[in-house]
Amino acid sequence: QSALTQPASVSGSPGQSITISCSGTTSDVGYYNYVSWYQQYPGKAPKVMIYDVSDRPSGVSNRFSGSKSGNTASLTISGLQAEDEADYYCSSYTSNNTLAFGGGTKLTVL
Amino acid sequence: EVQLMESGGGLVQPGGSLRLSCAASGFTFSSYAMTWVRQAPGKGLEWVSTISDGGGRTYYADSMKGRFTISRDNSKNTLYLQMNSLRAEDTAVYFCAKLRGLWRIDYWGRGTLITVSS
Repeated sequence: QSALTQPASVSGSPGQSITISCSGTTSDVGYYNYVSWYQQYPGKAPKVMIYDVSDRPSGVSNRFSGSKSGNTASLTISGLQAEDEADYYCSSYTSNNTLAFGGGTKLTVL
Repeated sequence: EVQLMESGGGLVQPGGSLRLSCAASGFTFSSYAMTWVRQAPGKGLEWVSTISDGGGRTYYADSMKGRFTISRDNSKNTLYLQMNSLRAEDTAVYFCAKLRGLWRIDYWGRGTLITVSS
């Protein structure tokens, strides 16, 4: 069982917006702003899409945005494109000096 | 350009040992903490261990404590993961990753597959 909870799957049509949630506790997501989001294609290494809750690395499309409310972080992808179809994972630093990951969410672009 | 290249993966019997290496280039290796993350076949990402830039601080996931040892050689720009008492459930792709600070991953390697089976 993963430390952070994500929906197993989400879907959307091209051009739409979708949001993936990442639920934690007051010992991780709720207390620290060290939440990151990763995109992973099958058989490939993950890629950082968001770090520190809402910051985007250079080169990442501004269609990707992150936020946090209480113990839940969210990744929003706007203007959905076929190439966005992938697995998405969240992570957060925890008070136990560990890094927790979510179980991952499979995004399907219809 | 940051590059991380894992090696040392392969097939090992239950109870066996293996040492993974991660050769780093494109950045000042000694200035950054590093981490290992694994992914079992068809499963999600699981954090394994983190080591500080100088190697003086190490952190482990509970299920790896006492069996895995993370280390680094800053003179060789190389990160290591010594894995002992391997179990079938350790079968996974092991990724090394560069950190900003201690807990923000910014670059990932391509991973190396470890299969624990008799």
